[in-house]
Amino acid sequence: AQSVTQPDIHITVSEGASLELRCNYSYGATPYLFWYVQSPGQGLQLLLKYFSGDTLVQGIKGFEAEFKRSQSSFNLRKPSVHWSDAAEYFCAVGERADYKLSFGAGTTVTVRA
Amino acid sequence: NAGVTQTPKFQVLKTGQSMTLQCAQDMNHNSMYWYRQDPGMGLRLIYYSASEGTTDKGEVPNGYNVSRLNKREFSLRLESAAPSQTSVYFCASSGRDYPLGNEQFFGPGTRLTVL
Repeated sequence: AQSVTQPDIHITVSEGASLELRCNYSYGATPYLFWYVQSPGQGLQLLLKYFSGDTLVQGIKGFEAEFKRSQSSFNLRKPSVHWSDAAEYFCAVGERADYKLSFGAGTTVTVRA
Repeated sequence: NAGVTQTPKFQVLKTGQSMTLQCAQDMNHNSMYWYRQDPGMGLRLIYYSASEGTTDKGEVPNGYNVSRLNKREFSLRLESAAPSQTSVYFCASSGRDYPLGNEQFFGPGTRLTVL
C-alpha cells in the first residue's frame, strides 16, 4: 500500500521569502501525485497534480512541484510567499487502478510580516 | 455549479445519539468518498463508493455506515456517536476518465463534536 510522509509539521516563513514543502511517498509504480491547500475552516483545494510527462508541474497561486522518481519525492515550491499563503498543505498519492488517495499528515505554513 | 455540498456545517451530539451527514455533488462524478480529519493525522478515508450501487470500507470504517443514494448523493451515518468521533468530516468526489480519475474535489466539511 502506498504511504505519504510530510516531514515538516510546521514551517514559518517571512513574506516575500521562498517556500519549499517536502513530500516523500512509498509506492512501487509511477504514482499520481497531488498537492492540496486548506485555509482555516475551509475544505481542500487542489494546487497542482502530476500524472506523467514533464516532472516539473505548475499549479495555481504561483506554486510548482517537481517529481523526482529517484528520491520518491514531490516537493512543493513557491519563489515568493504572500501572507495569504498561510494555510495547511497536504500531499497525496494515488494509483491508476484505484481511485483512492493516501494523504500525508500535512504541513502548516505560517507567514510572518 | 455548486461542486460538492455538505450538510450540516456544524453539529454537536451527545454520546449515543445518531445522525446522518449528507453530501451531494453536481459534477456527474462516479466516485465519492468520506474522510475524517484529525490534528496531526491528515485525512483518513472512512468509506468510499467507486460507482453508484457500490460502497467499500476505507482505513477507519468502524462506527460508521454509508449509503450511496444515487449518483449525486452519498451519506454517512453514525449510529451511536462516541467522543472519539469528534472530528471534521469531508466528502469528496472524483470522475473516472483517465488520467483525471484520481483528482478529488472536496466539500467544505462538517465539524462534529460528540460530548
